[in-house]
Amino acid sequence: AQSVAQPEDQVNVAEGNPLTVKCTYSVSGNPYLFWYVQYPNRGLQFLLKYITGDNLVKGSYGFEAEFNKSQTSFHLKKPSALVSDSALYFCAVRDRGNNRLAFGKGNQVVVIP
Amino acid sequence: GAGVSQTPSNKVTEKGKYVELRCDPISGHTALYWYRQSLGQGPEFLIYFQGTGAADDSGLPNDRFFAVRPEGSVSTLKIQRTERGDSAVYLCASSLDRGESYEQYFGPGTRLTVT
Repeated sequence: AQSVAQPEDQVNVAEGNPLTVKCTYSVSGNPYLFWYVQYPNRGLQFLLKYITGDNLVKGSYGFEAEFNKSQTSFHLKKPSALVSDSALYFCAVRDRGNNRLAFGKGNQVVVIP
Repeated sequence: GAGVSQTPSNKVTEKGKYVELRCDPISGHTALYWYRQSLGQGPEFLIYFQGTGAADDSGLPNDRFFAVRPEGSVSTLKIQRTERGDSAVYLCASSLDRGESYEQYFGPGTRLTVT
């Protein structure tokens, strides 16, 4: 079975500071990994993915994430947070043997002006 | 281009009633998914279609839930004899699912409330 852990309920960061949202995963084989963002009363928006290749992947709005196979992690990062980055962030994993996405419970990010 | 659309955006129904939720995927996307998101949780997989056929329905909670995609485009999730525990946001997603394009694009969801 595939699963994701997002250990922190909420991440508070000052505007302009680096932002990190943690994610660890569990799959039986090699993973596909994704980050999504959800704004209030809106659907999930795709941010970035790791499929293969470089462990550091870059996505929308200045976000990036690093795939670490030995630590089974895929932490989301942004060098300088904006107030507009305040939202709910979900990490998701898919085993290459199926099409199901398993999501974490989400992290609320609050960027303080 | 147009994204995934879902109708209705909100549905309130009484316990025991039957409901249908509709999803219109991104044009050209062969893969379609249904997920359910309860308050404070991440989405949970329900069912996956590749074309017209349900390739994986392992996430459907019981036989009150089923979904169809008769022409390989629009899909309908059907819930019989609704229960209060079915209240959630039902999300639909679609993807190309070839090459490296495995990301799923989500619709805005249908918020189902069973009273």
